[in-house]
Amino acid sequence: DGGITQSPKYLFRKEGQNVTLSCEQNLNHDAMYWYRQDPGQGLRLIYYSQIVNDFQKGDIAEGYSVSREKKESFPLTVTSAQKNPTAFYLCASSIFGGEQPQHFGDGTRLSIL
Amino acid sequence: AQSVTQLDSHVSVSEGTPVLLRCNYSSSYSPSLFWYVQHPNKGLQLLLKYTSAATLVKGINGFEAEFKKSETSFHLTKPSAHMSDAAEYFCVVSDLGGYSTLTFGKGTMLLVSP
Repeated sequence: DGGITQSPKYLFRKEGQNVTLSCEQNLNHDAMYWYRQDPGQGLRLIYYSQIVNDFQKGDIAEGYSVSREKKESFPLTVTSAQKNPTAFYLCASSIFGGEQPQHFGDGTRLSIL
Repeated sequence: AQSVTQLDSHVSVSEGTPVLLRCNYSSSYSPSLFWYVQHPNKGLQLLLKYTSAATLVKGINGFEAEFKKSETSFHLTKPSAHMSDAAEYFCVVSDLGGYSTLTFGKGTMLLVSP
């Protein structure tokens, strides 16, 4: 079955440490997205990519970095510069175009040790 | 600029009674509108979408929504709630006329009691 796989499901970060969240899709979608979800806040866009080797900052990109070396993969690194990283992180993908619905992975919950 | 407001943070219904989740939007262009559902610790699942075709949109699991341009609303309804409908629901807007990212509402938690 086609879909989006996020790993790990749970992740713990120590102070000053960078961590990388994995997102892989086999839907052959051009566009991929990373969102952060906090209680009562809805989803906020961190980064998105419309095509391989290209990506744009979303609304809350500070303290995060991404790469898009393959169409299927869009990993997110939470750097030590992100002072409040505890959240639920969701990856999504879609066919190119704002009217196209996005398909979501099951998320990674990141906590601080 | 686009924005979306979900008018209720929580809605409580009894099983078998109607569900109404309210959403108002703001958009500079002809919008695409979506409703997604999220169960605990899961990703979002698309319930339905509006993209300038019929104003009454039918989705999965018996849900439907009506696009009302004059009221800038896109409320989600279901005639009879099931226990399995208990989840968080997100109203989402995207401008047509070019590539646009999605803007999410803050969510409405639907509670269903027996």
